[in-house]
Amino acid sequence: QVQLQESGPGLVKPSQTLSLTCTVSGDSVKIGGFYWTWIRQHPGKGLEWIGYIYHTGRTYYNPSLKSRVTISVDTSKNQFSLMLSSLTAADTAVYYCARDHLGATISWFDVWGQGTLVTVSS
Amino acid sequence: QSVLTQPPSASGTPGQRVTISCSGSSSNIGSNTVNWYQQLPGTAPKLLIYRNDQRPSGVPGRFSGTKSGTSASLAIVGLQSEDEAEYYCSAWDVSLNGHWVFGGGTKLTVL
Repeated sequence: QVQLQESGPGLVKPSQTLSLTCTVSGDSVKIGGFYWTWIRQHPGKGLEWIGYIYHTGRTYYNPSLKSRVTISVDTSKNQFSLMLSSLTAADTAVYYCARDHLGATISWFDVWGQGTLVTVSS
Repeated sequence: QSVLTQPPSASGTPGQRVTISCSGSSSNIGSNTVNWYQQLPGTAPKLLIYRNDQRPSGVPGRFSGTKSGTSASLAIVGLQSEDEAEYYCSAWDVSLNGHWVFGGGTKLTVL
């Protein structure tokens, strides 16, 4: 059974860079076909796709966040990570890692982590 | 403002049939498949329907999805109290070089 677990700081200061890691168990990030994804949910709001990475290192980001986002993968640790720079209060959200089944336009997110709340505040 | 439009709320009594709509455009629903996610209170979203009408293993048959043109619907028949949750639709949007978009969510209350 595939499981994803986010980890990282719960509180970050404005203008700083957020760094989160997703640890994958029961599967390997090196297996082709899956795209490893970050999604966030602002408090009481809907979902926002941040971007994804393939095991080769190929990435694709939400155009609205692209200038501030970096997603990387560490196949030796079976993890993938998110970095989001120039934080503001508007980045306060629950951050989820998820598995994109195909990385294609007809794909879907079939496995989700439990999510981690990140608050941006001084 | 979400790209896909859902009603903010829906309700029904146990045993009833409830539908939740999701409206988009030619750049998302009109050209790609739709997925639905269920988010129980305090938990992560869970895949409910994929590729318009496919149910993952373990999802009860009383959940079904349809798509027509630039709109999609989720139907729940035989509503149960444990169905009380937030429901989100999602599709790939081909604008701006492409990105995933979601609906704003529909809070389903079982009366």
